[in-house]
Amino acid sequence: EPEVTQTPSHQVTQMGQEVILRCVPISNHLYFYWYRQILGQKVEFLVSFYNNEISEKSEIFDDQFSVERPDGSNFTLKIRSTKLEDSAMYFCASTEGSTYNEQFFGPGTRLTVL
Amino acid sequence: AQSVAQPEDQVNVAEGNPLTVKCTYSVSGNPYLFWYVQYPNRGLQFLLKYITGDNLVKGSYGFEAEFNKSQTSFHLKKPSALVSDSALYFCAVRDRNYGQNFVFGPGTRLSVLP
Repeated sequence: EPEVTQTPSHQVTQMGQEVILRCVPISNHLYFYWYRQILGQKVEFLVSFYNNEISEKSEIFDDQFSVERPDGSNFTLKIRSTKLEDSAMYFCASTEGSTYNEQFFGPGTRLTVL
Repeated sequence: AQSVAQPEDQVNVAEGNPLTVKCTYSVSGNPYLFWYVQYPNRGLQFLLKYITGDNLVKGSYGFEAEFNKSQTSFHLKKPSALVSDSALYFCAVRDRNYGQNFVFGPGTRLSVLP
């Protein structure tokens, strides 16, 4: 069964550094998403991406964040100048496209900012 | 604005007994409703969804959920709980007239005791 994959599984970085989280969505899917889950808290929407551009973003997704689909398979989340409060699990998801389709989630990347 | 409430942080049930995990929602339009399960150190796995039609929907692993429009609820149920059902359960809503992203509830931790 096709699945969403994410790398790395765990990323440790120093405050102020840049990190890139990588995702490979399911191949025939058209919409891609990033969510985050701070430890013990709920899953929060960050951004959705369709047709090579951002279609929606939350208030969390400020200028510190950017997304890219550089090569038709990978979907990346870049966090510039990381802060302590960026420590969280980051989940990538994808869906075929219709609003009633469920999203398929990757296993997540645990980001720890020291 | 969309929101989801899961009024119980924790639900404990004995193996073999029926279980219910509660969810209520608020959207401006008509909702698409979803349940996801998260096992430790894993991503979110889709369980079931309500789009339209029968208010009772059946999903993976013997779970079902009932959409109640008047009570704006979408409670998750299973007739006979298994120890392996112990996990974190998230209810999610999408307003079919607004956007692609999910709004997740805070999650309910289900513990099934042998």
